[in-house]
Amino acid sequence: TQLLEQSPQFLSIQEGENLTVYCNSSSVFSSLQWYRQEPGEGPVLLVTVVTGGEVKKLKRLTFQFGDARKDSSLHITAAQPGDTGLYLCAGEDLANSGYALNFGKGTSLLVTP
Amino acid sequence: NAGVMQNPRHLVRRRGQEARLRCSPMKGHSHVYWYRQLPEEGLKFMVYLQKENIIDESGMPKERFSAEFPKEGPSILRIQQVVRGDSAAYFCASSSSGDQPQHFGDGTRLSIL
Repeated sequence: TQLLEQSPQFLSIQEGENLTVYCNSSSVFSSLQWYRQEPGEGPVLLVTVVTGGEVKKLKRLTFQFGDARKDSSLHITAAQPGDTGLYLCAGEDLANSGYALNFGKGTSLLVTP
Repeated sequence: NAGVMQNPRHLVRRRGQEARLRCSPMKGHSHVYWYRQLPEEGLKFMVYLQKENIIDESGMPKERFSAEFPKEGPSILRIQQVVRGDSAAYFCASSSSGDQPQHFGDGTRLSIL
């Protein structure tokens, strides 16, 4: 099982601030997904990145896949209280673990008004 | 998460009883994955199934746990002779094919008394 380390573990910021969370591994992934999970619910897919160096934007969220496909970052601009939640990264390694997703433990984000 | 339906949402069992967790994939999806989320832990892959076939059960405990995805009806995760350590949130995900994004249900919270 490939380890995905997410940092920071917890983040509390005020509305309007910018933030970046990170997902790092020593393993190369075929693709990497970012999910957001709210208490009592399942993870909701935000984005999938496949190509090294790829950047994808989803409104105020910017996702980047590292050139070597071992790490990824999520940047949120002008955070809002509705962004509060647990952000999970999950890597897929087709060569070793097939279609099973390897999840990090997540970054718990709290945005206060 | 309305697409992938899991039931029950909450399940309480006494030690030694059996637990049956059900998952109906999104319409048009024939690939189902089961994950377990323990307190303070990330989501861990358990098993990957297609209709009537187990494709990858590398994350499934060798004893007491089994999964099926029959031709008709939902996928079932079955835990026999439950123990306290089985208490967790169990999530099901589905996809249209193995290389497509996985979409999660809202999970079943299993509590063992």
